[in-house]
Amino acid sequence: AQRVTQPEKLLSVFKGAPVELKCNYSYSGSPELFWYVQYSRQRLQLLLRHISRESIKGFTADLNKGETSFHLKKPFAQEEDSAMYYCALFTGGGNKLTFGTGTQLKVEL
Amino acid sequence: NAGVTQTPKFQVLKTGQSMTLQCAQDMNHNSMYWYRQDPGMGLRLIYYSASEGTTDKGEVPNGYNVSRLNKREFSLRLESAAPSQTSVYFCASRGQRNTGELFFGEGSRLTVL
Repeated sequence: AQRVTQPEKLLSVFKGAPVELKCNYSYSGSPELFWYVQYSRQRLQLLLRHISRESIKGFTADLNKGETSFHLKKPFAQEEDSAMYYCALFTGGGNKLTFGTGTQLKVEL
Repeated sequence: NAGVTQTPKFQVLKTGQSMTLQCAQDMNHNSMYWYRQDPGMGLRLIYYSASEGTTDKGEVPNGYNVSRLNKREFSLRLESAAPSQTSVYFCASRGQRNTGELFFGEGSRLTVL
């Protein structure tokens, strides 16, 4: 069965410091991975997906199949990055999106 | 274009009461989902509907029922609410392409006393 692990419940960094939110997955097939973000008092929204290999709001994430990881990175944290971040795994055959437990990112001044 | 709309936004119930959470999407999406969000547990799938007329259990279906009324609407019913069902509930829909991009509603905060 598919599983997504986010080991950190809370990550606190100073403004301007690098950020890395960890995500590991287990899935026997070919995964499709996502990062979703929930800002305070806003709905959950897609941040980025591994297929597009894009950078959104300065965030990037690379799929490492050898380590079964999809860590989210940003070189310089901004105050507005404070939010809850969820890693998610989509299994097309099952038509389901499985989420990790989430990491609360707090960027301090 | 409202996207995904959920009602009510807040609800307080007593143990044993029943209620229905309503969800509607105006994006002509086939698939719809109900998740619950709990601290330290992330989002857990309750039920989903791959298309109109079909529903399937997710990770935590016990205590819930769903109805896919038509392509737009997907409701979640608690027949006899329990304190363990205190949570924030999110409805989501997924587009036509075979991709994992979900569009979420604003959430419904339910408290069971």
